[in-house]
Amino acid sequence: SQQGEEDPQALSIQEGENATMNCSYKTSINNLQWYRQNSGRGLVHLILIRSNEREKHSGRLRVTLDTSKKSSSLLITASRAADTASYFCATDLLNFGNEKLTFGTGTRLTIIP
Amino acid sequence: NAGVTQTPKFQVLKTGQSMTLQCAQDMNHNSMYWYRQDPGMGLRLIYYSASEGTTDKGEVPNGYNVSRLNKREFSLRLESAAPSQTSVYFCASSLRTLSSGNTIYFGEGSWLTVV
Repeated sequence: SQQGEEDPQALSIQEGENATMNCSYKTSINNLQWYRQNSGRGLVHLILIRSNEREKHSGRLRVTLDTSKKSSSLLITASRAADTASYFCATDLLNFGNEKLTFGTGTRLTIIP
Repeated sequence: NAGVTQTPKFQVLKTGQSMTLQCAQDMNHNSMYWYRQDPGMGLRLIYYSASEGTTDKGEVPNGYNVSRLNKREFSLRLESAAPSQTSVYFCASSLRTLSSGNTIYFGEGSWLTVV
């Protein structure tokens, strides 16, 4: 089964609203990353949060990490039509090398103009 | 700045045929990966190469072989294609650093249909 599981599977909001999606994982991690995938394209890295960090910002993105609950959230503020995409969390597991970056199944976000 | 380039973009194969997906990166990354993406399954790691000259199995290696030809190139071969291998394939690369962790850079994908 997947290490990371995003919730919800799909989300539709009006342009200008905030979008929140969540990721839960099962085992201890070095860091957690969020990626975006536009339809028909490859994944693009958005932000990385380390296991000793609790919150991180990048532009309109805010990521939180709660290692005690093994969960993370991605908040996109003031959403735009261009934010329509699928969003994936990926966990970098402790005691493993590069090869163990494990992706979840994604949240499909639709921004309604 | 090309990043990760993979070919072909689209391919239709008949069951039992073989083919090779090519991938090259120009970022001087040590690690390269092949993932497949299926609806509802997320990305699953097929094979990876932590450095030139090494390859290892990922989560779903059966039916595939890989070659790390040099630091830049990592190819994926389907020896005898099966309908279950119909998927979107992504090549990726990474350079682990203290600041970037293991940020992965993806190619644009190869859509493979096996009939």
